[in-house]
Formats: sequence, C-alpha cells, structure tokens
Amino acid sequence: RKEVEQDPGPFNVPEGATVAFNCTYSNSASQSFFWYRQDCRKEPKLLMSVYSSGNEDGRFTAQLNRASQYISLLIRDSKLSDSATYLCVVRVLGTGGFKTIFGAGTRLFVKA
Amino acid sequence: DAGITQSPRYKITETGRQVTLMCHQTWSHSYMFWYRQDLGHGLRLIYYSAAADITDKGEVPDGYVVSRSKTENFPLTLESATRSQTSVYFCASSELPGTSGSLRGFQYFGPGTRLLVL
Repeated sequence: RKEVEQDPGPFNVPEGATVAFNCTYSNSASQSFFWYRQDCRKEPKLLMSVYSSGNEDGRFTAQLNRASQYISLLIRDSKLSDSATYLCVVRVLGTGGFKTIFGAGTRLFVKA
Repeated sequence: DAGITQSPRYKITETGRQVTLMCHQTWSHSYMFWYRQDLGHGLRLIYYSAAADITDKGEVPDGYVVSRSKTENFPLTLESATRSQTSVYFCASSELPGTSGSLRGFQYFGPGTRLLVL
C-alpha cells in the first residue's frame, strides 16, 4: 500500500462546477499536510496547508480527518485556469527526522 | 530575488556519460532535496541534505551522487548515465521544520531539469 494515495483521475468538469479530491495516508504519525498544484511541465507549487480545523482560501477549502486519515480539497466555481494536477503531501516525523511524502497526484481538466 | 534555480534546464546525454545537475537557492534554507518525476510514479526522493556536509539517501539513490559543500548549492551527479535515468529532475529547499514563519517546513521547488539519456 502506498503511504499517500490519491485517485489519479482525470476529473473532467465544466466551468463553474464544484469538484472534490480525496487523499488517504497510512502513517498515523503524520504531522503536516499540504496540497500542491502542478501545471503541465512545471514545478509543483504550494496551494495551501491543511489544518485540523479545516481552512479556506477563496474558492479552495481543505479538510483533514485524522481519525480516518484522509485529506480533502474542494474547489468551488471551477475556472479554466484550475486545470492542473493536484498533489497531496504529508510530512511524517520518524526516527530519522521529518520525511515528506508526495502523492502521485490527481489530474483536473476544467472545460468551457 | 532568484529563489531556487536549476541548470541546465534541458540536457541530452549518452549512456555511460557523467552528468551533473546544478541547484542553487538564495534563501539560506537548511534543507535541500532532489526528486525525479516520471509518469506513473509521481515525485520520488533521490537524496536530501539537512545542512552543509550532511546528506542522506532517499527512496531511489542508486546511480546518483550528491554533495553539499555550501548551504546554497546541492549538485546531483549521475556517475554513468543510463536510459532509465531519463526523467524530469526537481530540486527543492525548505527551512528547518518548526522554524517560525516557515509554514511548517513546506518545500519550494526549482523549475526542473529535463534529462534525456540516449
């Protein structure tokens, strides 16, 4: 089982739609959680951190469920420019220090 | 405000040749990382460094060598390139986890180096 698992998609949605991605992680010692966005042939960029209380940044809402070990990202009112791959990222504190684990990503296509 | 840069951005080489990919960051971040990204595998950690002169293996270190004599530079060397090392290579850096204002140590990525081994 992968340490961080995501549905690879692709998700094909029309402009204005609401879309949700889920991500599950296997290590209960995971401490920090992030969503990154990666455009085609570009580097990953931080989209938002994920806090236990849930957090919102404009049209984006991230949720963390520690009991079920999953993270979600909700995008409301999708724009064409939201088309990208979304990476779920988990940081774990182990005996060797922090380890950052990236999910393989979920591809989103927003169409006019 | 250069941030984190990588060079070259594109490289074509032949099997058996030695190749060095450069990574430079201007933030004085403690941690630096090298990843490769291939279709179907996502980002895989090759090596990382917690500080100058401290390096450690990641998930896929075989065939690669790193060094970190200065905090700002973290070169990655393919000692004898193989076709399986054709990939996109990303360098990243982060502050020490827990550092105030560090957003809990999230990583900043360079623009990547696209390497083709013939």
